[in-house]
Amino acid sequence: GENVEQHPSTLSVQEGDSAVIKCTYSDSASNYFPWYKQELGKRPQLIIDIRSNVGEKKDQRIAVTLNKTAKHFSLHITETQPEDSAVYFCAHRGFKTIFGAGTRLFVKA
Amino acid sequence: NAGVTQTPKFQVLKTGQSMTLQCAQDMNHNSMYWYRQDPGMGLRLIYYSASEGTTDKGEVPNGYNVSRLNKREFSLRLESAAPSQTSVYFCASSEGWSWGPPNYGYTFGSGTRLTVV
Repeated sequence: GENVEQHPSTLSVQEGDSAVIKCTYSDSASNYFPWYKQELGKRPQLIIDIRSNVGEKKDQRIAVTLNKTAKHFSLHITETQPEDSAVYFCAHRGFKTIFGAGTRLFVKA
Repeated sequence: NAGVTQTPKFQVLKTGQSMTLQCAQDMNHNSMYWYRQDPGMGLRLIYYSASEGTTDKGEVPNGYNVSRLNKREFSLRLESAAPSQTSVYFCASSEGWSWGPPNYGYTFGSGTRLTVV
C-alpha cells in the first residue's frame, strides 16, 4: 500500500547550521510532494512543494529535492534560526495524501 | 478571508456521547479532508471529499461519519464517542480538479482538541 517513511524523527542543530530531512515513498504514481511545518499547538502550514517534473526547488533558505528513480525527496534548511524549531511533515499526493510521521527540529541558539 | 474555519476549538465528551465537528472553507476549493493527529502518529486521514457530492474513507474511518453539505462545508460526526477518539482533529481543503487527484497543498483549519472521558 501507499506509505511514506520520514527520517530522522528528531534533529537537533546549532543555529546557522543546515538541516536535512528525508522521506521515502512507495507509490510510483505520486507526482506531488509537499512539506508542512507545524509549530507547537498550531496548524500545519505548507512551506514548499515540488512536482515530479522538476528535481529541485528553492525558496530563500529552504529547498526540496526529488529523486523519482530512488523514490525519495528531501527538505533542506540552510542557515537555521531558532524560529525554524518545529515539527516538519513530508507528504505525497494521490487522492489520499499520506503524511510522514514527522521530524521534530530543534535549533539551538 | 478566513480560509478554513473549524468549530469548536475544544470539546470534552463522555463515552457514548455524540457530536459533530464543523468545517467551512471560503476559498472555493473542490476537495476537503478530515485528519486526526495523535502524539507520535503524525496525521492520519479519516475521510475525504474529492468534490461536492462525494465522500470516501481514508486510513482510519471506523467510528466516524461525514457529510459534504455543500461546496463550502464538510462535517465530521462521532456517533458514540470512545476514549480512543481522544485526539486533535484537523479539517483541510485543497484546490484540485474533480476528475483527478489534486495536485496542490492543503490549507488547514486551526484544529479541534477533543477529549473523551
